[in-house]
Amino acid sequence: AAGVIQSPRHLIKEKRETATLKCYPIPRHDTVYWYQQGPGQDPQFLISFYEKMQSDKGSIPDRFSAQQFSDYHSELNMSSLELGDSALYFCASGYSNQPQHFGDGTRLSIL
Amino acid sequence: DQQVKQNSPSLSVQEGRISILNCDYTNSMFDYFLWYKKYPAEGPTFLISISSIKDKNEDGRFTVFLNKSAKHLSLHIVPSQPGDSAVYFCAASARSGGSEKLVFGKGTKLTVNP
Repeated sequence: AAGVIQSPRHLIKEKRETATLKCYPIPRHDTVYWYQQGPGQDPQFLISFYEKMQSDKGSIPDRFSAQQFSDYHSELNMSSLELGDSALYFCASGYSNQPQHFGDGTRLSIL
Repeated sequence: DQQVKQNSPSLSVQEGRISILNCDYTNSMFDYFLWYKKYPAEGPTFLISISSIKDKNEDGRFTVFLNKSAKHLSLHIVPSQPGDSAVYFCAASARSGGSEKLVFGKGTKLTVNP
């Protein structure tokens, strides 16, 4: 069965650079969620979209923005990158009252 | 403030025995609870869930128990198998089905020894 696809799997950036993470949800899933997992930490909710509209917002820095496109894929844009942004970024997708399904994540390293 | 707590960072059990992973929560608004399993270099995989209106849900070798008054849930795996070795995350949602943002615990690393 098709799963949530995230790209790239790994990304290395320097401080003050920008990064774009992409997420392709499971077909027919209408909701996309973004989570950030720091080293040794639990995944923290960043933002979600339902039918291409932002549905909820968590602890997402102002330097980050996200959107969901007409084909339901989503992009997380990160600017003025800081060392503390180094983390694993997960995207999850869901449909109706079903459990969220996660992608394998993008590991972002800031040098 | 950690709203979902998994107080045991690690657990080691023998193959064939029972594994019990515990989770506590503080937010009374949580209505739905999920367990995810995570292997290295992979994303969390949904395992089993339970609604706050139930106290038990079973799926094969996996059973989740919910004690709402104590704000405590546990995941039982029996019999445990070496392939169950992974990090297990407890998660909670304020909406049925987990269709709202999930709040995670820090995870428990389960090791099942052959």
